Amino acid sequence: DGGITQSPKYLFRKEGQNVTLSCEQNLNHDAMYWYRQDPGQGLRLIYYSQIVNDFQKGDIAEGYSVSREKKESFPLTVTSAQKNPTAFYLCASSLRQGAPGELFFGEGSRLTVL
Amino acid sequence: SQKIEQNSEALNIQEGKTATLTCNYTNYSPAYLQWYRQDPGRGPVFLLLIRENEKEKRKERLKVTFDTTLKQSLFHITASQPADSATYLCARPSGSSNTGKLIFGQGTTLQVKP
Repeated sequence: DGGITQSPKYLFRKEGQNVTLSCEQNLNHDAMYWYRQDPGQGLRLIYYSQIVNDFQKGDIAEGYSVSREKKESFPLTVTSAQKNPTAFYLCASSLRQGAPGELFFGEGSRLTVL
Repeated sequence: SQKIEQNSEALNIQEGKTATLTCNYTNYSPAYLQWYRQDPGRGPVFLLLIRENEKEKRKERLKVTFDTTLKQSLFHITASQPADSATYLCARPSGSSNTGKLIFGQGTTLQVKP
């Protein structure tokens, strides 16, 4: 079945550590996105990528980094510079940039900083 | 700046009734609005997209309206069922409609009681 796979589903991190969240899609979608969700708040865009080897900052990119070396993969690294990393992270994809199509979301990764 | 506002208070209704959720936006009317459903601990799932020139759109028991005068979209679930209990998110494109980026509201939680 086609879809988006995020891993791990739950992750615990000590302060000062970098962690990487995985996002893989087999939908052959061009665009991929990372959102962060906090209780009582809407999804906020961290980074997005329209094509391989290209990505742009979203609204809250500070303390995060991404790469897009393959069309299928868009990993997110939460660095020690992110001051409040505990959150629910959602990866999404869409067929192509510019089309007002739906976003397909993964099941999310919940990061907790101890 | 562009904003999407949804009623943050939970909506509680009786099974069989029609649930109506509200989404208000600021600034210029977007080319389209999207509605998603999100269950606890899961990623959002796309439900409907309505374009600016469409007054109403239906899908099974769901109906969405788009009022550019009121800068508002209404989301209706008719003959509601307990299985409809979830958080419903409204989203609009961020900036130019061809970027693929979306701005999400904080969501409204619907609870349908048997």
